[in-house]
Amino acid sequence: EVQLVESGGGMVQPGRPLRLSCAASGFAFYDYAMHWVRQVPGKGLEWVSGINWDSSSVGYADSVKGRFTISRDNAKNLLYLEMHSLRTEDTALYHCVKDVTRYFDYLYGMDGWGQGTTVTVSS
Amino acid sequence: QSVLTQPPSASGTPGQSVTLTCSGANSEIDLNPVSWYQLLPGTAPRLLIYSNNQRPSGVPDRFSGSKSATSASLAISGLQSGDEADYYCAAWDDSLSAWVFGGGTKLTVL
Repeated sequence: EVQLVESGGGMVQPGRPLRLSCAASGFAFYDYAMHWVRQVPGKGLEWVSGINWDSSSVGYADSVKGRFTISRDNAKNLLYLEMHSLRTEDTALYHCVKDVTRYFDYLYGMDGWGQGTTVTVSS
Repeated sequence: QSVLTQPPSASGTPGQSVTLTCSGANSEIDLNPVSWYQLLPGTAPRLLIYSNNQRPSGVPDRFSGSKSATSASLAISGLQSGDEADYYCAAWDDSLSAWVFGGGTKLTVL
């Protein structure tokens, strides 16, 4: 069974950094692309970032480009999201998500979701 | 404002069939496959349909997906109270080089 457990969320002031982690188990983590998708209550889902199985390619939503960095450690089954210059509009529940394939832009979909970790950006 | 447009709400009675729609403003849906996700209160999102009409293992065949031109649909037959949830469509947008989600449809089972 796919298990994805996010950590690292919390309350942070605008402009400060935060690092999210996701521990994966129950599947061959090294063989699948991964994503971060955030959920703002009342506003739905927003894709944040994706990374190929071998870190050969990454992608970002325009809203976070240049501020967020996605990375992974296949030896440790860990996915990360480094967030810098945080804004109030980054406040959301951040989900770690498994792709159906090895490539985050391969069009099929996302078939494993973690419960999420909450990030609150406020002064 | 979402790139993909979904009606904000839909409803049906137990046993009924309901169809949720998802339309694209640009070429996302026309060119690329659509996936559908179910968000039950207090639980992580669940993939219902990928590649327009493919069901992952474990998803009941009461759920089916289709696509035509610039719109996609999720049909739910034999509606159950447990189907009351938010449903989102998603597709890869080549122009944005990003995944885009619809605004979601809240399904109420009366």
